[in-house]
Amino acid sequence: QQQVKQSPQSLIVQKGGISIINCAYENTAFDYFPWYQQFPGKGPALLIAIRPDVSEKKEGRFTISFNKSAKQFSLHIMDSQPGDSATYFCAAYEGAQKLVFGQGTRLTINP
Amino acid sequence: GAVVSQHPSWVICKSGTSVKIECRSLDFQATTMFWYRQFPKQSLMLMATSNEGSKATYEQGVEKDKFLINHASLTLSTLTVTSAHPEDSSFYICSARDLGGRNIQYFGAGTRLSVL
Repeated sequence: QQQVKQSPQSLIVQKGGISIINCAYENTAFDYFPWYQQFPGKGPALLIAIRPDVSEKKEGRFTISFNKSAKQFSLHIMDSQPGDSATYFCAAYEGAQKLVFGQGTRLTINP
Repeated sequence: GAVVSQHPSWVICKSGTSVKIECRSLDFQATTMFWYRQFPKQSLMLMATSNEGSKATYEQGVEKDKFLINHASLTLSTLTVTSAHPEDSSFYICSARDLGGRNIQYFGAGTRLSVL
């Protein structure tokens, strides 16, 4: 049972464009939503995170938009660069323990 | 940010042997560490939750006798894959929860295990 659904599976964006990755969840007990970036052969690195009482959070070129009523959240990467090419995972915390991951999105930025 | 060190980064072993993977939190204490398994082009799957000084909690379907977890100190957890077989070949990743900060998990760089 996939508790966090992520789309698309893969995404190709031209350099300078906006990359958008979407996630949806069902469990209303989730209370913290991080995004992770993973390069091949490496562990995930925390990119940005948001709490459900906030509708938007921006850090540099990365923005999370959060819609609590729709139980959806998304990652926007502005001015996408080739170095942003990686796999991105949305995730959700249920309390202080378990972290549930989405299926991942393989992002390719074409130069 | 918090740093989690995982060692080794890559290990090749013969079928039937055991392999130990170490996970250390370098600049914070972690009462809880987590072990994940990741197959190619797939998401991370939680294997077990490791609490310092107590037995690990395994996820459903994970063999606790095959994947031995020890969390002997606040900065070190180990995963031992016992009697490894080719189907155990995978990417294993640990994480540690930083209670002093935002109470989120920081991940190690992962260990690629290849069983011949």
